[in-house]
Amino acid sequence: AQKITQTQPGMFVQEKEAVTLDCTYDTSDQSYGLFWYKQPSSGEMIFLIYQGSYDEQNATEGRYSLNFQKARKSANLVISASQLGDSAMYFCAMRDRRRAGSYQLTFGKGTKLSVIP
Amino acid sequence: DAGVIQSPRHEVTEMGQEVTLRCKPISGHNSLFWYRQTMMRGLELLIYFNNNVPIDDSGMPEDRFSAKMPNASFSTLKIQPSEPRDSAVYFCASSFGGPVGNQPQHFGDGTRLSIL
Repeated sequence: AQKITQTQPGMFVQEKEAVTLDCTYDTSDQSYGLFWYKQPSSGEMIFLIYQGSYDEQNATEGRYSLNFQKARKSANLVISASQLGDSAMYFCAMRDRRRAGSYQLTFGKGTKLSVIP
Repeated sequence: DAGVIQSPRHEVTEMGQEVTLRCKPISGHNSLFWYRQTMMRGLELLIYFNNNVPIDDSGMPEDRFSAKMPNASFSTLKIQPSEPRDSAVYFCASSFGGPVGNQPQHFGDGTRLSIL
């Protein structure tokens, strides 16, 4: 069963506008973590933001925020004031307990964001 | 601070040859992960080490793949013999696997492997 679902293969956004990238997840654990990564065309994977399942506040990091809706099992990434440099693939990932002490991540298929000047 | 260092950045070799990918994790991190990324399958976890011990190698495709972590600052992923379908980008990542598990994995720049 797919644990992380990113339903948008590609998205376009006008420069300076905000954009939301969707991510839904599936887990039976009470304790889990959600991560977003950015992969520009140069190929590196860049950590953006983290949300823990017990965190009451939505995580924010600069222009990135995570819209965490626990009951709906969604963890959407919001990028405000888009910039041309935001054009990249974005991956949602989840850490849940597979075995004691395991910190593996399961990644979604990614969303390709293109920022239009 | 130095990030995760992978070598080589690019590798082109002929089918049947042995390939060795190398990784130096971030100092102080106790968890290390090897991933493979392809267009068809996305990002797949191959193997995961914690405190230099392999914890989960269920993602290793077959016996041609092996990974070692002889010490906290070095890991290798070996493919022998290599096949064209092994062509992919291979990432190494490391993290501090504390009890809360909220530490992100930090990725190296990857090795782009092409098997002819």
